[in-house]
Amino acid sequence: QVQLQQSGAELAKPGTSVKLSCKASGYTFTSYYIYWVKQRPGQGLEWIGYIYPGNGGTYYSEKFKGKATFTADTSSSTAYMLLGSLTPEDSAYYFCARGAAGAYWGQGTLVTVSS
Amino acid sequence: DIVMTQAPLSVSVTPGESASISCRSSKSLLHSNGITYVYWYLQKPGKSPQLLIYRMSNLASGVPDRFSGSGSETDFTLKISRVEAEDVGIYYCGQLLENPFTFGSGTKLEIK
Repeated sequence: QVQLQQSGAELAKPGTSVKLSCKASGYTFTSYYIYWVKQRPGQGLEWIGYIYPGNGGTYYSEKFKGKATFTADTSSSTAYMLLGSLTPEDSAYYFCARGAAGAYWGQGTLVTVSS
Repeated sequence: DIVMTQAPLSVSVTPGESASISCRSSKSLLHSNGITYVYWYLQKPGKSPQLLIYRMSNLASGVPDRFSGSGSETDFTLKISRVEAEDVGIYYCGQLLENPFTFGSGTKLEIK
């Protein structure tokens, strides 16, 4: 069955970076887009962008350009999102989802940015 | 960016009754291919979002047929018939017509 397993919670200091992972299983990794979504605690959902592991193509919402960087390792069927220059406003849950429609979601990774 | 506006902010429903949630987009979500790219998601407390309805009116796999989606080019409705306790959570509409994809702000469904 399709599964997306995300990495564990992160506690980071302002100005640093974190790299989140999303390991896919149960399907052909290179055939589907991986989307990333941000959700601040108690708030709504916000699309960050996507990567297509088949060719490494990426798209970033304007708001996240320079903040997020997507990569994918096809050998391990894992997608990554690097969040840089962290500020407290980056504290949130981050979800990965398969495909634009989001038929499958990871369990989310909580990132807390605090000094 | 396309703005998705949901109403109401919250709804309280007696089990067994129906509930409707509205969503309006700032531009038509009808593609020239005839598909309307509005989607509905439910986020249960403490869980990841789950897909309920895709392309305005198609039920996602495993979703009870108590859920249905309808609408026009810019006005959309999610209807939940015979509401059950397991339906509590926040419902989001989303548009996948053009980048950046955008979500509505959510509607919280509670049980009376």
